[in-house]
Amino acid sequence: GEDVEQSLFLSVREGDSSVINCTYTDSSSTYLYWYKQEPGAGLQLLTYIFSNMDMKQDQRLTVLLNKKDKHLSLRIADTQTGDSAIYFCAERRITGGGNKLTFGTGTQLKVEL
Amino acid sequence: DAGVIQSPRHEVTEMGQEVTLRCKPISGHNSLFWYRQTMMRGLELLIYFNNNVPIDDSGMPEDRFSAKMPNASFSTLKIQPSEPRDSAVYFCASSFSGRSQETQYFGPGTRLLVL
Repeated sequence: GEDVEQSLFLSVREGDSSVINCTYTDSSSTYLYWYKQEPGAGLQLLTYIFSNMDMKQDQRLTVLLNKKDKHLSLRIADTQTGDSAIYFCAERRITGGGNKLTFGTGTQLKVEL
Repeated sequence: DAGVIQSPRHEVTEMGQEVTLRCKPISGHNSLFWYRQTMMRGLELLIYFNNNVPIDDSGMPEDRFSAKMPNASFSTLKIQPSEPRDSAVYFCASSFSGRSQETQYFGPGTRLLVL
């Protein structure tokens, strides 16, 4: 299909790991991104991964990419209350004359004490 | 760097009025994107420009919506006439097209309410 899919909600306890999943659509997508949106704010880039990589780690964040299944995940270690936000995955599809991002529906992460 | 600047941050208007949203991209960026975010439809790309030229406007809902980019440092999104279903958060984002990774940087958004 045309949609980038994510589960809508995830609830975790503070200190646990969070895993947010995403299924994208275009096997030719070159870069895949994770953005974070806090309440009342714009989207902020968290991390990205190039399509020839399987994994990328950046401090508490680990991105895993399974190209065969077109599956992307974001793992947040030691989740904190400040991580509560909506997380969007996005794929960069190559179109004629330029590139654009296609965003998923977003996963709302709630971190409980 | 000031980041992407959008104005106004909030807009409340009545149905039928013209609404103009403004965006100043990050200096040096050559691509600009307009998005709309609603609970029902999520984040939708409306239009994007590369070097001030509209590349893809397939996401623009209808003729009531128009966007311009007269120069590299300014863009507008206009709705005329506005309708209640246009109520949403409108984001502008910019990037530098040419880098292999091309991150989009988002502005804080304009929250539009059409009564």
